[in-house]
Amino acid sequence: AQSVTQLGSHVSVSEGALVLLRCNYSSSVPPYLFWYVQYPNQGLQLLLKYTTGATLVKGINGFEAEFKKSETSFHLTKPSAHMSDAAEYFCAVSDSLSGNTPLVFGKGTRLSVIA
Amino acid sequence: DSGVTQTPKHLITATGQRVTLRCSPRSGDLSVYWYQQSLDQGLQFLIQYYNGEERAKGNILERFSAQQFPDLHSELNLSSLELGDSALYFCASSVDPLTYEQYFGPGTRLTVT
Repeated sequence: AQSVTQLGSHVSVSEGALVLLRCNYSSSVPPYLFWYVQYPNQGLQLLLKYTTGATLVKGINGFEAEFKKSETSFHLTKPSAHMSDAAEYFCAVSDSLSGNTPLVFGKGTRLSVIA
Repeated sequence: DSGVTQTPKHLITATGQRVTLRCSPRSGDLSVYWYQQSLDQGLQFLIQYYNGEERAKGNILERFSAQQFPDLHSELNLSSLELGDSALYFCASSVDPLTYEQYFGPGTRLTVT
């Protein structure tokens, strides 16, 4: 079975500071990995995804994540936080081999950005 | 706007009742997923349909059922509602089951009193 662990349910950064949201996964097969963002009272929006190929993936709004197989991690980063980045972020994993694509989500990390 | 629509936006009902949540996928998407988001369980996959057929099942209770119609819209039926069913229910769609990019709707917030 697959699982996702997001370290830190709440992360607070200053505007302009580095954003680092941690995600570790457990999967018995090569995973597909995703980061989604949820703004208040809205649905989830895909930030970026890793399926195959380059392990450093770039997404929308200046976010990027690096797939590290040896560490079973897929941490999300952004060099400089903006007030508009304040939201809930979810890491998710999907099974790449079974042909079924439902996502298994982490518990989420709430990002606060302080002016 | 993801292109996925869900109705109603909010639903308040009493224990023991039955409700139906509706989802229209993005134009051209054949696969629909239902997820439940609650404070204690987080985001959990319930069920997936592809072109009218059930494709995968997750942590869906027997009191819950779903279907996907010929026009590809989907409905999630929740019956014998309990207080613990209060949650945000999301629908997502993708082009096909092997496309890993899912687009989420705005959700239906269900409150059971």
